[in-house]
Amino acid sequence: GAVVSQHPSRVICKSGTSVKIECRSLDFQATTMFWYRQFPKQSLMLMATSNEGSKATYEQGVEKDKFLINHASLTLSTLTVTSAHPEDSSFYICSARLAGQPYEQYFGPGTRLTVT
Amino acid sequence: QKEVEQDPGPLSVPEGAIVSLNCTYSNSAFQYFMWYRQYSRKGPELLMYTYSSGNKEDGRFTAQVDKSSKYISLFIRDSQPSDSATYLCAMSSGNQFYFGTGTSLTVIP
Repeated sequence: GAVVSQHPSRVICKSGTSVKIECRSLDFQATTMFWYRQFPKQSLMLMATSNEGSKATYEQGVEKDKFLINHASLTLSTLTVTSAHPEDSSFYICSARLAGQPYEQYFGPGTRLTVT
Repeated sequence: QKEVEQDPGPLSVPEGAIVSLNCTYSNSAFQYFMWYRQYSRKGPELLMYTYSSGNKEDGRFTAQVDKSSKYISLFIRDSQPSDSATYLCAMSSGNQFYFGTGTSLTVIP
């Protein structure tokens, strides 16, 4: 149980375009989903916390107009990187928290974004 | 001071060795402690979690929490090449999660 999927696993896009990444909880309902960014050999950097049906809460320094997060249902959250630039190239990972279990997070496999 | 400190390694051990991975923290409000394993280019996988102080064992893995010292450990017995990965500690006091930087482990056959 507690499986989280992400799609796509890898994407290459041109500078200036937008990219959407999907995060799904496959076998449970996730009231809260988290979006992380990870640079090579570095730890996870929390970008935003997404609660179903409400606006995402962004961490300091993360541009909410650039990284659009939508959590429209209890099993789906999306991250859209708008007007992507090469410096946005990174590994993006989502996680989901089970309703009623406030301390555990289950991670998706990640999406590698390369902006050329 | 960072909320969570973890030695990034890298740590290299021969197959069969006992591995000790550690994290220290500064926030005494942390109640929930987790260890994640992350293989290269994959998302982290929850290995073990413990609540408050004490030990928890699962197969070859043992997690220890010493709240008085603000110190947590993960022990891996009879280490295998398949254990080669980055291990991240994480802790929580409620809604906030804090991750360590991760320790890179290589088990040499």
